[in-house]
Amino acid sequence: EAQVTQNPRYLITVTGKKLTVTCSQNMNHEYMSWYRQDPGLGLRQIYYSMNVEVTDKGDVPEGYKVSRKEKRNFPLILESPSPNQTSLYFCASSFTGSEEKLFFGSGTQLSVL
Amino acid sequence: LAKTTQPISMDSYEGQEVNITCSHNNIATNDYITWYQQFPSQGPRFIIQGYKTKVTNEVASLFIPADRKSSTLSLPRVSLSDTAVYYCLVAARGTYKYIFGTGTRLKVLA
Repeated sequence: EAQVTQNPRYLITVTGKKLTVTCSQNMNHEYMSWYRQDPGLGLRQIYYSMNVEVTDKGDVPEGYKVSRKEKRNFPLILESPSPNQTSLYFCASSFTGSEEKLFFGSGTQLSVL
Repeated sequence: LAKTTQPISMDSYEGQEVNITCSHNNIATNDYITWYQQFPSQGPRFIIQGYKTKVTNEVASLFIPADRKSSTLSLPRVSLSDTAVYYCLVAARGTYKYIFGTGTRLKVLA
């Protein structure tokens, strides 16, 4: 089944403790991206990747890192999480990222205490 | 990147046709319009995409007037399961940055 898989589904952590949210797709998509969703603010793009080893900032990249070492994986890294990063995170992918429909994962609810 | 404006919420009854309009006054020539549906605790799901005039698929229709400054998502004969948040996205060809609006929360009543 074609899908975008995020892990974990829920995560509670404390301020400053590094964490990684994984994202994997099995559709051989070139484009992958991360979003955060907050009440009243909709979906905001954090980072995106056009292909392996090619990444760029979205609208809200501060406090986040990403890497794209393999085509199928695009982990989101929070080196020193803060409470304002408490949010619902979504990973998405598409064939090329341009004019293509995005396939989203089921989300990761992160709480930073 | 074109900014979009949608109504915050809408209510409808089962069996009715629902039209959700998205305003994108500064849409560029290369921009296309895409709508997504999001159920609680799930990621958004692609519904329909268009550039101009009318597009129809098995789920919805998308109407885009000649000036392209707005677009209307039409859901025929909605059911309770259509209760969701609907996002309008306007993005340029060849760009990888996407700006989603705040979406329209549709509630379908029995």
